[in-house]
Amino acid sequence: GAVVSQHPSWVICKSGTSVKIECRSLDFQATTMFWYRQFPKQSLMLMATSNEGSKATYEQGVEKDKFLINHASLTLSTLTVTSAHPEDSSFYICSASQVASYEQYFGPGTRLTVT
Amino acid sequence: AQSVTQLDSQVPVFEEAPVELRCNYSSSVSVYLFWYVQYPNQGLQLLLKYLSGSTLVKGINGFEAEFNKSQTSFHLRKPSVHISDTAEYFCAVSSDSWGKFQFGAGTQVVVTP
Repeated sequence: GAVVSQHPSWVICKSGTSVKIECRSLDFQATTMFWYRQFPKQSLMLMATSNEGSKATYEQGVEKDKFLINHASLTLSTLTVTSAHPEDSSFYICSASQVASYEQYFGPGTRLTVT
Repeated sequence: AQSVTQLDSQVPVFEEAPVELRCNYSSSVSVYLFWYVQYPNQGLQLLLKYLSGSTLVKGINGFEAEFNKSQTSFHLRKPSVHISDTAEYFCAVSSDSWGKFQFGAGTQVVVTP
């Protein structure tokens, strides 16, 4: 149980375009979802926290107009990177948690390459 | 505020030897502690967690960790590693029941024959 999927697993886009990444909880209802960014050989950096039906809470230094997060249902959250630039290239990982679960369940990640 | 320190960035180890990965945290409140493993180009997989109760926690793949409140540590151990244990290991701490984590910098374990 507690499986989280991400789609796509790898995406290449041209500079200036937007790309959407989906995060789904497949067998549970995710009251909270988290989006992380990971640079090579580095730890996970929390970008934002989203609760179903509410606006996302962004960490300091994360541009909310650039990284649009939508948590429209208890099983789906999306991250849209708007007007992507090469410096946005990274590994993006989502995770999900249930009410009072204390634990996060991680998706397999999405590698974004902006050319 | 809380923080997590993983004291070793890389740990080389021979196959079938024991390994210990060190994790220290700082927090002014009660914490929940986790160890995750990440294989290349993959997400994180939970190895074990401490929420309450026994301070010795056993996880998957033969890993265990001990919560030491006085030393604010949560070190991960495995008595005998395999080549397949080569991966990045992350310690994480949370003080919320809804799971906002603070991650350590990670420890790269490289197992050689």
